[in-house]
Amino acid sequence: AQSVTQLDSQVPVFEEAPVELRCNYSSSVSVYLFWYVQYPNQGLQLLLKYLSGSTLVKGINGFEAEFNKSQTSFHLRKPSVHISDTAEYFCAVKNTGGFKTIFGAGTRLFVKA
Amino acid sequence: EAQVTQNPRYLITVTGKKLTVTCSQNMNHEYMSWYRQDPGLGLRQIYYSMNVEVTDKGDVPEGYKVSRKEKRNFPLILESPSPNQTSLYFCASSFQGPLDTEAFFGQGTRLTVV
Repeated sequence: AQSVTQLDSQVPVFEEAPVELRCNYSSSVSVYLFWYVQYPNQGLQLLLKYLSGSTLVKGINGFEAEFNKSQTSFHLRKPSVHISDTAEYFCAVKNTGGFKTIFGAGTRLFVKA
Repeated sequence: EAQVTQNPRYLITVTGKKLTVTCSQNMNHEYMSWYRQDPGLGLRQIYYSMNVEVTDKGDVPEGYKVSRKEKRNFPLILESPSPNQTSLYFCASSFQGPLDTEAFFGQGTRLTVV
C-alpha cells in the first residue's frame, strides 16, 4: 500500500520569494508521482508528474519538483512566487502497475504582497 | 475541449432525500472515480470504475452508490444522505496507458446535508 505525507498544512510566503512544499511518500513498489494544484472554487489540475528518467521535473507556471528515491521525497519548488500562486497543492502517488491515485492532505500556499 | 463535467456545482438537501450527482467525460477514458475532499484529510476515494459495468469500492464507500452503464458517465448516488456526507465532491477520469497516467478532474460539487 502507498501513503503520502505533506509535511506542511500551510505555507505563507512573500511575493517574489522562493518556496518549497514538501512531500514524502511510502511504497513497497515502483510509483508515479504527481503534484496537483487547486485554485479557489475549482477542481484539481496537474502541475507536473514524475514517471521515470530525469529526477528533476519541470511543470507549468515555473514550478519544478525533484524525485529523491533514497529519501522517498518529491518536493515542489518555485524560485519566485506570485500572488496568483495562492492555492492548495496536493502531492499524489500511484503504483506503476495499478489504477488508484493516493493524495496527500494538501498544503495551502498563501502568497502575500 | 477535453473536460470532466459535474452537475450540480452546489446542492443543499435534507437528510434522507435521495440525490444523484452526475459526471460526464468526453475523453474516452476507461477509468473514472469519485472523491470527497474534507479539510485536513485531502481527497479520499469513494468508488472507482475501470470500465463499463466494472465498479469497486474505494476507501470511504459507505452511504454511496455508483453505476457505469456508459463509458462517458459515472453518476454518484446518495440513497439516504446524512449530515456527515456534507463535503466537496470531485469526479475524475484517466487513461490507463503507460504515460497518460494523470487524472482529469471536474469542477466539484459542494453538497450540504441539513
